[in-house]
Amino acid sequence: QVQLQESGPGLVKPSETLSLTCTVSGGSISRSYLSWIRQPPGKGLEWIGYMYYSGSTDYNPSLKSRVTISVDRTKTQFSLNLTSVTAADTAVYYCARRVLGGEFDLWGQGAQVTVSS
Amino acid sequence: DIRMTQSPSSLTASVGDKVNITCRASETISYYLNWYQQKPGQAPKLLIFAASSLQSGVPSRFSGSGSGTDFTLSISSLQLEDFGTYHCHQSYGKPTFGGGTKVEIK
Repeated sequence: QVQLQESGPGLVKPSETLSLTCTVSGGSISRSYLSWIRQPPGKGLEWIGYMYYSGSTDYNPSLKSRVTISVDRTKTQFSLNLTSVTAADTAVYYCARRVLGGEFDLWGQGAQVTVSS
Repeated sequence: DIRMTQSPSSLTASVGDKVNITCRASETISYYLNWYQQKPGQAPKLLIFAASSLQSGVPSRFSGSGSGTDFTLSISSLQLEDFGTYHCHQSYGKPTFGGGTKVEIK
């Protein structure tokens, strides 16, 4: 069955760019959205954005100026770039599949990212 | 943004108890409400979608109800393995989540 796995640096310096990759294995995510969601320590979940399998994107307005989600040509590796990070961007970052009904039915295990000098 | 307010923020109950968690939307979202369970150190897991549909593999003691702005997640008979934090999520507009309800077993 389809699985998602996040990967990337666990430590990013302030003002630099956070880059993570979500690898899709065991199948494709056609007719669904690949989403990025984060959870700061001890806090709730925050949607960052998603890409539809066709390539269109949508982002959280509060992060839109700093976020880019892209996909490689094989559509198995989705990337998240978040620029000009601060300590407030410290969180566990999840990739998740959003199906057409809107729910997130499949999640990766999450990647801890700490912003610190 | 559509704001989601969950209550209570935490609760402690005994095995066998019936538990209700509520979620209120700041504007009507029809039935576009989903519930997740998250255990410490793990990713959220989908329990209920479209307000009342049970995700495959989820025990039938979990149920959801509501429409419009007010929704409820119910656990009919709390089990030891039901500890964790429960999140509601609206998928009517750009996705937003409630603040979470932490469930502890007495």
